[in-house]
Amino acid sequence: SAVISQKPSRDICQRGTSLTIQCQVDSQVTMMFWYRQQPGQSLTLIATANQGSEATYESGFVIDKFPISRPNLTFSTLTVSNMSPEDSSIYLCSSTHNEQFFGPGTRLTVL
Amino acid sequence: AQKITQTQPGMFVQEKEAVTLDCTYDTSDQSYGLFWYKQPSSGEMIFLIYQGSYDEQNATEGRYSLNFQKARKSANLVISASQLGDSAMYFCAMRENSAGTASKLTFGTGTRLQVTL
Repeated sequence: SAVISQKPSRDICQRGTSLTIQCQVDSQVTMMFWYRQQPGQSLTLIATANQGSEATYESGFVIDKFPISRPNLTFSTLTVSNMSPEDSSIYLCSSTHNEQFFGPGTRLTVL
Repeated sequence: AQKITQTQPGMFVQEKEAVTLDCTYDTSDQSYGLFWYKQPSSGEMIFLIYQGSYDEQNATEGRYSLNFQKARKSANLVISASQLGDSAMYFCAMRENSAGTASKLTFGTGTRLQVTL
């Protein structure tokens, strides 16, 4: 099974600022995924990050708001830009083998 | 139509009893995978069990088993001998085209399980 770590584990940010979340996998993986879980809701996929190409965004999510980097096969970052209180969520990264494992999540609060 | 439906927003079970959490899915793919995750209050998503659409046996992992009924498109999670530590949110998810590892997961709305003494 893959071991996935995320930094930071939580943060409290001011409106209008940006936060970059890091995700590290302990083995090389083709795809990494970024999900958002708003309070009391289920998980929604933001984008799929493939090494060496631009991320693929789901409907309702745009690159200007959630830029993603994928510099190598074990690492990815998600930036939440120009934050508003509606961005307060848990952000989780994930990677696939046969099973699909998640990092511990980043709990973001925007004031 | 919802791809993953969990009709039980909340469930109670007494310690040491078994509980079934329901999940139905909708897909036209022949190849897909079904997952169950546990999310405690800490927010992490803990992988519990996986069932591939071509797997003939129901998946089991310790106290967790998946009751896979392909014709009915259901993938219920059975937790045996419930423990207080099982209290959490449980999510059912589906990955279509499970033969490839590049596909995303679609999640249900979750079931909150409370284990009581």
